[in-house]
Amino acid sequence: GAGVSQSPRYKVTKRGQDVALRCDPISGHVSLYWYRQALGQGPEFLTYFNYEAQQDKSGLPNDRFSAERPEGSISTLTIQRTEQRDSAMYRCASSLGHIPQETQYFGPGTRLLVL
Amino acid sequence: LAKTTQPISMDSYEGQEVNITCSHNNIATNDYITWYQQFPSQGPRFIIQGYKTKVTNEVASLFIPADRKSSTLSLPRVSLSDTAVYYCLVGDRNYQLIWGAGTKLIIKP
Repeated sequence: GAGVSQSPRYKVTKRGQDVALRCDPISGHVSLYWYRQALGQGPEFLTYFNYEAQQDKSGLPNDRFSAERPEGSISTLTIQRTEQRDSAMYRCASSLGHIPQETQYFGPGTRLLVL
Repeated sequence: LAKTTQPISMDSYEGQEVNITCSHNNIATNDYITWYQQFPSQGPRFIIQGYKTKVTNEVASLFIPADRKSSTLSLPRVSLSDTAVYYCLVGDRNYQLIWGAGTKLIIKP
């Protein structure tokens, strides 16, 4: 596709439910990043992949959060047993190369609201 | 990881040149300096990146003094559409980029 796409764009769920957020990076991009962004704040790093390998997951808040990119393309960020504090904008980005310094192209984000 | 400090907000007027300075006192030898722009309801967008001296592209210039402890993003002849949040990031190839709160730039008619 022309850019990074994310789905769903909006997700409302009840506390305790699991959610899966999808990211479809730019075709051919090696690296894929997940961020969480609170209103008025910069993106908070969660995790990133080079191809299918998860390179760094130090930003995942706790073990309820996990991510995968099994075929080195589409990625899924899963939040289990959601809590109200998980409500935020979740953004995905991809870059052509494999280092964080390279230009990252961001998707439109998924707005998650946990009731 | 180097930490960046930038003003929380700035105002300017259409047609003016805007300079946003970012300080990064503990920048490391291998760190690059990168600026992103973010409009409301959109993801950040890359503007410019540099290592030292001056870098210019079609939308901005980046000035980096010799000690590299600060950098200045320069936007020439701004328009209303330049109203956005601007992020300064510092990092090298081995580390994730740390995003601050950014500078909210408001351009007035």
